[in-house]
Amino acid sequence: GAGVSQSPRYKVTKRGQDVTLRCDPISSHATLYWYQQALGQGPEFLTYFNYEAQPDKSGLPSDRFSAERPEGSISTLTIQRTEQRDSAMYRCASSLSGQGETQYFGPGTRLLVL
Amino acid sequence: QQPVQSPQAVILREGEDAVINCSSSKALYSVHWYRQKHGEAPVFLMILLKGGEQKGHEKISASFNEKKQQSSLYLTASQLSYSGTYFCGTTGGYQKVTFGIGTKLQVIP
Repeated sequence: GAGVSQSPRYKVTKRGQDVTLRCDPISSHATLYWYQQALGQGPEFLTYFNYEAQPDKSGLPSDRFSAERPEGSISTLTIQRTEQRDSAMYRCASSLSGQGETQYFGPGTRLLVL
Repeated sequence: QQPVQSPQAVILREGEDAVINCSSSKALYSVHWYRQKHGEAPVFLMILLKGGEQKGHEKISASFNEKKQQSSLYLTASQLSYSGTYFCGTTGGYQKVTFGIGTKLQVIP
């Protein structure tokens, strides 16, 4: 697509439920990043993919968080057994290739866990 | 480790200049600068790769001092549209980008 898109834009869920967030990167981009952004803070790295490979998932806060990109394009971020502290903006970004490349951010998914 | 940005906030009158600094305790490969307006996604400004390169983008430029592990963003003759939060993001040889907490810039008439 022309830009990075994310869905849903807003998600309200109850504590303990699972949620899956989706990111559709720019079509020619090999690299896809997931970030968590709290209000008033900078984006915090969660994980990234080069095509379908996931070289670094060091930023995932716990094993309740997982991400995949099975065909090297669309990616999903799943949070199992959500907790209130998971409430945040989740942003996806994509870049043409590796480091030193511009990252284009999507509009984000605002997650609220009640 | 998260880069440190300074100042945390700044208010400018239209036409004034500002400098935002970003420093890291780790060796840097690249520094990314983004601007984010309230309720919007961060928007790319520029990337600097190690080598002390200075880049410019209209009236916004940046420098990267690899030895000091620092970068500075220069905003000259500020415009109302420059208002927002500026983030620096750093990489240290890997693709993971670590962002600072941001510098809130407000330009007033």
